[in-house]
Amino acid sequence: NAGVTQTPKFQVLKTGQSMTLQCAQDMNHEYMSWYRQDPGMGLRLIHYSVGAGITDQGEVPNGYNVSRSTTEDFPLRLLSAAPSQTSVYFCASRARLQNTEAFFGQGTRLTVV
Amino acid sequence: QQQVKQSPQSLIVQKGGISIINCAYENTAFDYFPWYQQFPGKGPALLIAIRPDVSEKKEGRFTISFNKSAKQFSLHIMDSQPGDSATYFCAASNGGSQGNLIFGKGTKLSVKP
Repeated sequence: NAGVTQTPKFQVLKTGQSMTLQCAQDMNHEYMSWYRQDPGMGLRLIHYSVGAGITDQGEVPNGYNVSRSTTEDFPLRLLSAAPSQTSVYFCASRARLQNTEAFFGQGTRLTVV
Repeated sequence: QQQVKQSPQSLIVQKGGISIINCAYENTAFDYFPWYQQFPGKGPALLIAIRPDVSEKKEGRFTISFNKSAKQFSLHIMDSQPGDSATYFCAASNGGSQGNLIFGKGTKLSVKP
């Protein structure tokens, strides 16, 4: 039972480069989201999606794009990486019904130099 | 504006002792209050959750106490064990706004043998 799978686990980027963080879930969850985790800051919501074709911004969306073409996948794109985007990124999914358990991936540790 | 305030930032407890982590929220529309546990290098995982219609929920050694009038809730870990050493996040969500989880900044718990 894979759950939520994130790739890659580690990535180093140069300032200005672009890349896509992949997230896939096999639980047929309609709701998916991306968080970033920084020391002393907790987890902050970047973008979320309540179903295929529907996305919306969270608390810290600047510099990131998302799309949701299938129920299973929710990639996060960094358009032009900046050192401020150095962080650990987590993807999460849950059933569409609110207030149910959210399942997190194991994270992607991104360093922008 | 931080909507969920968590304290303390770090906590050291002796094996067998009680660990207590506190959270306070501002938005009275929140109607779901989960606690997540995160081990190093892993994604957060749901530990226990409560809804505001009850004042306490217990699962094994873990108990959530909820005070609706004070807008506070806390996690109590009884008979703390070294295996409980992890970072704990409280969170809150509002079912009326897509159910996005708003996290506290986290508490790093260390249980000494």
